[in-house]
Amino acid sequence: ETGVTQSPTHLIKTRGQQVTLRCSSQSGHNTVSWYQQALGQGPQFIFQYYREEENGRGNFPPRFSGLQFPNYSSELNVNALELDDSALYLCASSLGGGQPRGEQYFGPGTRLTVT
Amino acid sequence: GEDVEQSLFLSVREGDSSVINCTYTDSSSTYLYWYKQEPGAGLQLLTYIFSNMDMKQDQRLTVLLNKKDKHLSLRIADTQTGDSAIYFCAEGTQGNLIFGKGTKLSVKP
Repeated sequence: ETGVTQSPTHLIKTRGQQVTLRCSSQSGHNTVSWYQQALGQGPQFIFQYYREEENGRGNFPPRFSGLQFPNYSSELNVNALELDDSALYLCASSLGGGQPRGEQYFGPGTRLTVT
Repeated sequence: GEDVEQSLFLSVREGDSSVINCTYTDSSSTYLYWYKQEPGAGLQLLTYIFSNMDMKQDQRLTVLLNKKDKHLSLRIADTQTGDSAIYFCAEGTQGNLIFGKGTKLSVKP
């Protein structure tokens, strides 16, 4: 059984650019959630994908968008990067879409720095 | 809106018990979680408790839930230096988790 993987591990971008982060869910998990963790803070929910559709969204602007693929992997896209977008981006996989099923497993994260 | 609060720091001696506390506001939370984060790493799921339970024990970890007071605690028995990390409490209802700011546990030899 493979765990949650994310790529890349680190990324440096310039303000105004666009970025794509990738996540492969744990084997057997059909739901992927994305979180942003700023330095010294707890993770903040961005959105969740289930059956290739967005299934819930936190308080993030539309320039944060995502995709889920038939193999349940997912991408997070951020357009028009701002300095405040610098953070650790975490992906979590679970079962069951919006229904609480207990276990959400996190990947190691992608550290994004915007200069 | 929903909120989860934790104390920011806890320092204990190796071999002692650690107790990390958390309060939450959303009474409809279905699951409550404890995650561990080591420096530069992602979140490791330690344990979780269903909201209709009062207690859950898993080896050195004991979770206590007081639903009336919306208070959750994590007790780590025989704390080791390897337990030094940031511990996050989180509540979940419809799949997304709401996290506290984390408690930094320091274990002194």
